[in-house]
Amino acid sequence: ILNVEQSPQSLHVQEGDSTNFTCSFPSSNFYALHWYRWETAKSPEALFVMTLNGDEKKKGRISATLNTKEGYSYLYIKGSQPEDSATYLCAWPSNTGNQFYFGTGTSLTVIP
Amino acid sequence: NAGVTQTPKFRVLKTGQSMTLLCAQDMNHEYMYWYRQDPGMGLRLIHYSVGEGTTAKGEVPDGYNVSRLKKQNFLLGLESAAPSQTSVYFCASSYSGGPGDTQYFGPGTRLTVL
Repeated sequence: ILNVEQSPQSLHVQEGDSTNFTCSFPSSNFYALHWYRWETAKSPEALFVMTLNGDEKKKGRISATLNTKEGYSYLYIKGSQPEDSATYLCAWPSNTGNQFYFGTGTSLTVIP
Repeated sequence: NAGVTQTPKFRVLKTGQSMTLLCAQDMNHEYMYWYRQDPGMGLRLIHYSVGEGTTAKGEVPDGYNVSRLKKQNFLLGLESAAPSQTSVYFCASSYSGGPGDTQYFGPGTRLTVL
């Protein structure tokens, strides 16, 4: 069993604040790192797939960076909005891709 | 496209009862997966399939069986349900199953075993 850890466990921010959270994963045998957004009562939805050290991906106000040498990825949300409220998951796949190891997620609540 | 669908959405069982959860995908994906989600834990892989007619064990396979008779369907069976199997079950699918390939998730099935 491999450890994928996310911090913080939960976060409450005011509308308009920028925020970030962390996913830590084993730095050896890196293949990819996935970020998902999971709204309550819905399916987890893919945000980013990151594969190269130094990768930076962006979708609207959300961006992510990757450091494979030290084994972490940051997710940033600029100017948080209430609709950003969700749990953000990261997943570290095995070399075959058959096994995804998920973190427990960061629950973000944006207060209007 | 409906994507990944799951049936049923909710179910309550008594200890010892059996049931089958159905997952269907209309994206022509080769790979399909069953996960369970428990409080304080990440999604954990139960079983997966790399193609029609194939199945393999994941991280937590005990107490479950699966079948992939058709490419678009992946069934998860509980032969004799136990309270420890109370959980939310998610199905997912991916096109090629590689580490960089996105897994697409269904809406989940909430199962309670009394």
